[in-house]
Amino acid sequence: AQSVAQPEDQVNVAEGNPLTVKCTYSVSGNPYLFWYVQYPNRGLQFLLKYITGDNLVKGSYGFEAEFNKSQTSFHLKKPSALVSDSALYFCAVRDGLYGNNRLAFGKGNQVVVIP
Amino acid sequence: NAGVTQTPKFQVLKTGQSMTLQCAQDMNHEYMSWYRQDPGMGLRLIHYSVGAGITDQGEVPNGYNVSRSTTEDFPLRLLSAAPSQTSVYFCASSTTGGSYEQYFGPGTRLTVT
Repeated sequence: AQSVAQPEDQVNVAEGNPLTVKCTYSVSGNPYLFWYVQYPNRGLQFLLKYITGDNLVKGSYGFEAEFNKSQTSFHLKKPSALVSDSALYFCAVRDGLYGNNRLAFGKGNQVVVIP
Repeated sequence: NAGVTQTPKFQVLKTGQSMTLQCAQDMNHEYMSWYRQDPGMGLRLIHYSVGAGITDQGEVPNGYNVSRSTTEDFPLRLLSAAPSQTSVYFCASSTTGGSYEQYFGPGTRLTVT
């Protein structure tokens, strides 16, 4: 079964500094990888995805993520963090071996951007 | 498009009561799913459906029931509420091909006393 690990509970970063949120995954087939963001008392919003192609994918709000097959990782990055980036971030994976859309989510990382 | 809508936003139940959480989408998505979100545990899949008339269990299905009579609607029923079902519930939908990302509703915060 597919699974995701987000090893850090909280990531603190100063405004203007680079932001990295880590994610590693486990699947049987090819991974379909996603990042979502959740602001307080809201649903999840899609940020970006990797299905195939270029290992560096760009998404909404200046975020990007790099797929690394050998390290089974899909870390989320932003070159310069904003206070408004403070939120809960989830990594998710779908196993391409199976025909359904089942996603496995990590436990989430709270990002705190300090002014 | 309204996207994915969920009702109610908040609900308080007593142990043993039953209720239905409503979910609807207007994007003609084949795939719909229900998750629960608990602190430190991420989102866990309860049930999902790949089309009208087809449902299947996810990771934590016990105590919940679903049906899918139309493409648009995917209600989640709590048969006999327990305090362990206190959680935030999210419904999501997506196409079964193409872009794959799931679209989430705003959530229902359920408290069982």
